[in-house]
Amino acid sequence: QSALTQPVSVSGSPGQSITISCTGTAKDVGGYNYVSWYRHHPGKAPKLMIYDVSNRPSGVSNRFSGSKSGNTASLTISGLQAEDEGDYYCSSYTSFSTYVFGTGTKVTVL
Amino acid sequence: EVQLEESGGGLVQPGGSLRVSCETSGFSFNDYAMSWVRQAPGKGLEWVSAISFSGGYTYYADSVKGRFTISRDNSKNTLYLQMNSLRAEDTAIYYCAKAGRGTTSVFYMDVWGEGTTVTVSS
Repeated sequence: QSALTQPVSVSGSPGQSITISCTGTAKDVGGYNYVSWYRHHPGKAPKLMIYDVSNRPSGVSNRFSGSKSGNTASLTISGLQAEDEGDYYCSSYTSFSTYVFGTGTKVTVL
Repeated sequence: EVQLEESGGGLVQPGGSLRVSCETSGFSFNDYAMSWVRQAPGKGLEWVSAISFSGGYTYYADSVKGRFTISRDNSKNTLYLQMNSLRAEDTAIYYCAKAGRGTTSVFYMDVWGEGTTVTVSS
């Protein structure tokens, strides 16, 4: 099971919007509406940001939104803030009843 | 408050074995599937294994299949990962995570522990 493909890094200035892409196949991202996104600071517990493609857990800012088209999912962060920095990973349930993460994207606020 | 706490990590020689545990509290453990995820030094997150709420179904990444065994004790609210035939590439922080929804499969993980470090080296 190959990792989903994400850009290595994305950056933006405070207040701007950025979008992180996540490309898989019809056996994972394209086949199910079970894409989720996590923010991770190394050594800390990852935090769930989006689940089921576009749902936000309680307590997550509405500046975070998710979408999907075909085999590619996207996470958009609007009104970028310094606290949004971190490593972001997409993930998907797969046709093998397993789970796969993306390669990870480092978000930097300039 | 939902809490997950991993333990049991340490230094082990290549070819050796180790069992890591995840004690949970604050939710009905036997109602949720659970998962293990790891992060090797300088690498991204890698899903390792998952287990259904009853323990009747288990799932593994190809990289650990046949070497690792996931299990749970619902009477102790604890998740386990038995790791055998360990390799240098198994060196990582191991996180346990609770399924946000789902008793049989993990569709997403809504609560994570802080992790336990496993180092495989001679």
